[in-house]
Amino acid sequence: ETGVTQTPRHLVMGMTNKKSLKCEQHLGHNAMYWYKQSAKKPLELMFVYNFKEQTENNSVPSRFSPECPNSSHLFLHLHTLQPEDSALYLCASSQRTSGQGSYEQYFGPGTRLTVT
Amino acid sequence: QKEVEQNSGPLSVPEGAIASLNCTYSDRVSQSFFWYRQYSGKSPELIMSIYSNGDKEDGRFTAQLNKASQYVSLLIRDSQPSDSATYLCAVNYGQNFVFGPGTRLSVLP
Repeated sequence: ETGVTQTPRHLVMGMTNKKSLKCEQHLGHNAMYWYKQSAKKPLELMFVYNFKEQTENNSVPSRFSPECPNSSHLFLHLHTLQPEDSALYLCASSQRTSGQGSYEQYFGPGTRLTVT
Repeated sequence: QKEVEQNSGPLSVPEGAIASLNCTYSDRVSQSFFWYRQYSGKSPELIMSIYSNGDKEDGRFTAQLNKASQYVSLLIRDSQPSDSATYLCAVNYGQNFVFGPGTRLSVLP
């Protein structure tokens, strides 16, 4: 595997389900990110992890729960979602979060989530 | 609220022409600026990063930054139909990133 991988690529879930999205980066990076991309809206940063520590949470509802067990893996646990949460969820990684040249983010292919 | 603005387009240029994509941002403390290309149904792909005022060239791409005017642009020379995509401008604020809505570029053969 190379780059940033995400599973599953597509997910359909009911509003009462619990599911998890997984992201893995094979780039030796230390920072990982979750983004949400909805139709006709800009990419929205949800969470930032730097060396496994959460450093940003952009007012994301608690029905989204991130987990970063190490610098290579990132999860997004989902529960009690709403139909408006249907979107493309993208994971990204960067080398670190300080210093010039280190913020370049590389994205995974995304998980297309549909909440019914 | 920190904002990044782009003309949504579509911007149509003939094959071989120069495509010019523009982006403005609201916060003067921004230090890092990025251009991404996103094909329909795909994830964003990094094209260029720029940190200092002036121009930065990479192949057919040139990024231009003017911090005084809070403006960053991307020029694509010798545009090809394969360049048809949505181009996203991103600005870094500390550990936060804000993306613009993207400009859809169409290169006509």
